[in-house]
Amino acid sequence: AQKITQTQPGMFVQEKEAVTLDCTYDTSDPSYGLFWYKQPSSGEMIFLIYQGSYDQQNATEGRYSLNFQKARKSANLVISASQLGDSAMYFCAMRGGDSSYKLIFGSGTRLLVRP
Amino acid sequence: SQTIHQWPATLVQPVGSPLSLECTVEGTSNPNLYWYRQAAGRGLQLLFYSVGIGQISSEVPQNLSASRPQDRQFILSSKKLLLSDSGFYLCAWTSGVSYNEQFFGPGTRLTVL
Repeated sequence: AQKITQTQPGMFVQEKEAVTLDCTYDTSDPSYGLFWYKQPSSGEMIFLIYQGSYDQQNATEGRYSLNFQKARKSANLVISASQLGDSAMYFCAMRGGDSSYKLIFGSGTRLLVRP
Repeated sequence: SQTIHQWPATLVQPVGSPLSLECTVEGTSNPNLYWYRQAAGRGLQLLFYSVGIGQISSEVPQNLSASRPQDRQFILSSKKLLLSDSGFYLCAWTSGVSYNEQFFGPGTRLTVL
């Protein structure tokens, strides 16, 4: 069975500093994908970044990068130069190798950026 | 560009009443469609997904059902709501050929009293 674990219920970071949000996963599928979403207080789920299991390079999207360590089964999100608007819930998710492309989500990390 | 709509945005319903939530997608064809539920302060739980018209897969046994009457329309229903059905319901879509992105609608906040 697939599983996503986010062990940090809450995190603080000072504005303009970098922060790492942890995510570990478990799957027996050789092909899978890892996602990060941001959920502000409005409730919308905003797609941030994707990493495929066969991708050689770590994914990057602007200030977001995914630190993918396949052997350790971790897919941590790194946010550089934090901004006040980064305060939100962050969810890690995984899809398996079947054609449903359904996602399994972690329990989330609440990030608070301090001015 | 693709857009996903959900309505209503908020809903307050008494226990035992029926439910119908609608999700429509624009700007794509033959998408995979999903219904997720998020309890307060929790992560998302997949309820149903559909890979085509009339094709529904249920992930969690419950008193909810889903239907896909048209290619880009996904409906979540219940004949009799329970208190435990309260939550934030999110519809999502992904292209049947592009598996590296899944986009969510704005959600429906359901309160069952």
